[in-house]
Amino acid sequence: IAGITQAPTSQILAAGRRMTLRCTQDMRHNAMYWYRQDLGLGLRLIHYSNTAGTTGKGEVPDGYSVSRANTDDFPLTLASAVPSQTSVYFCASSEAGGGTYNEQFFGPGTRLTVL
Amino acid sequence: GQNIDQPTEMTATEGAIVQINCTYQTSGFNGLFWYQQHAGEAPTFLSYNVLDGLEEKGRFSSFLSRSKGYSYLLLKELQMKDSASYLCAHMDSNYQLIWGAGTKLIIKP
Repeated sequence: IAGITQAPTSQILAAGRRMTLRCTQDMRHNAMYWYRQDLGLGLRLIHYSNTAGTTGKGEVPDGYSVSRANTDDFPLTLASAVPSQTSVYFCASSEAGGGTYNEQFFGPGTRLTVL
Repeated sequence: GQNIDQPTEMTATEGAIVQINCTYQTSGFNGLFWYQQHAGEAPTFLSYNVLDGLEEKGRFSSFLSRSKGYSYLLLKELQMKDSASYLCAHMDSNYQLIWGAGTKLIIKP
């Protein structure tokens, strides 16, 4: 693994189903982020984690949950998917979270369609 | 509140120069980022400004004026591969990035 990986690459999901998007980084970065990107809108932060064991809510957290059991993994779960959650989801990481300049590195994205 | 604006789309000619502007309003500021995103791909980091002035990096330069809430990305000697979206983002008082919607740059031969 080099950098950040996300799985699946794309997914079509029935409304009401539960779905977990996976994200793994091998750069030993402390901070990780989940964004959604929708046409005509900027990247919007869903949840973040400044360090393993801690998480925080971003701009659009409703309907999503995250966990950070270790440094490398940061899964995003949709408990009961709705069509408005159709989007491209990007996971990102940075060396430090909060307080210092930190370039964010992005995974390749997961394209999710909820029908 | 926080707001960040940039043009939706711009067109330029191969070999020319283009300037992409970004304006922002924020109650707290910890730097201004520019990212490049090719269609269907992930954003990649281009530049970071936290102090006023121009930062030059090869064909790309980025400028910041904190008093005006204004930044621009300058691309010189445009190449076809520069066709992409350019995302402006400022880091707020909580050290989170607030993103603009992106500027789609179309390069014509």
